[in-house]
Amino acid sequence: EAGVVQSPRYKIIEKKQPVAFWCNPISGHNTLYWYRQNLGQGPELLIRYENEEAVDDSQLPKDRFSAERLKGVDSTLKIQPAELGDSAVYLCASSLPGDGNTIYFGEGSWLTVV
Amino acid sequence: GENVEQHPSTLSVQEGDSAVIKCTYSDSASNYFPWYKQELGKRPQLIIDIRSNVGEKKDQRIAVTLNKTAKHFSLHITETQPEDSAVYFCAASIYPTGGFKTIFGAGTRLFVKA
Repeated sequence: EAGVVQSPRYKIIEKKQPVAFWCNPISGHNTLYWYRQNLGQGPELLIRYENEEAVDDSQLPKDRFSAERLKGVDSTLKIQPAELGDSAVYLCASSLPGDGNTIYFGEGSWLTVV
Repeated sequence: GENVEQHPSTLSVQEGDSAVIKCTYSDSASNYFPWYKQELGKRPQLIIDIRSNVGEKKDQRIAVTLNKTAKHFSLHITETQPEDSAVYFCAASIYPTGGFKTIFGAGTRLFVKA
């Protein structure tokens, strides 16, 4: 079975520039998550989708971050404008309906803001 | 909300020795405790989990123990091998409906020296 697919894997941008990350979850996984993982830290939830609805975005910095999952499958996470402190790994993950305990992660998008 | 603390942050062992990683949690309602392994540049992957109706679970060289009274749980790796070198994350959530609120520890970087 194909895992969670993310792109790009690596991105280096200058501060104040925009950046977008894309995620394709495992087929049939209605729940999709975006996590941010800072160096030496565990993943921290930014936003969770159930199908196309964002059901938990309490940790998403809405002044510069946005996300969408228009058709309830693929998702994009955008940062505009990026700041130096946004340098991190952005992990997308998915899980089966009703089984949020088993989380399948993608390999992450490594963002460096210079 | 839940808070998960993990230690040590770095652990170095000789090949063949055992490694123990410990986590504490704060929310007594948490009842599901997964452990993830993240190799360098790779996605976090679930390696073992435990629910609060059991005190210990074993899978080959890996075991987890849970002390619900003290709110701590541990990962034990016996006969360590170089391929065990990775970052290990503990996590806590509420099964079955609260997996979406999984809280991760900060991670332990394990080095197994050949």
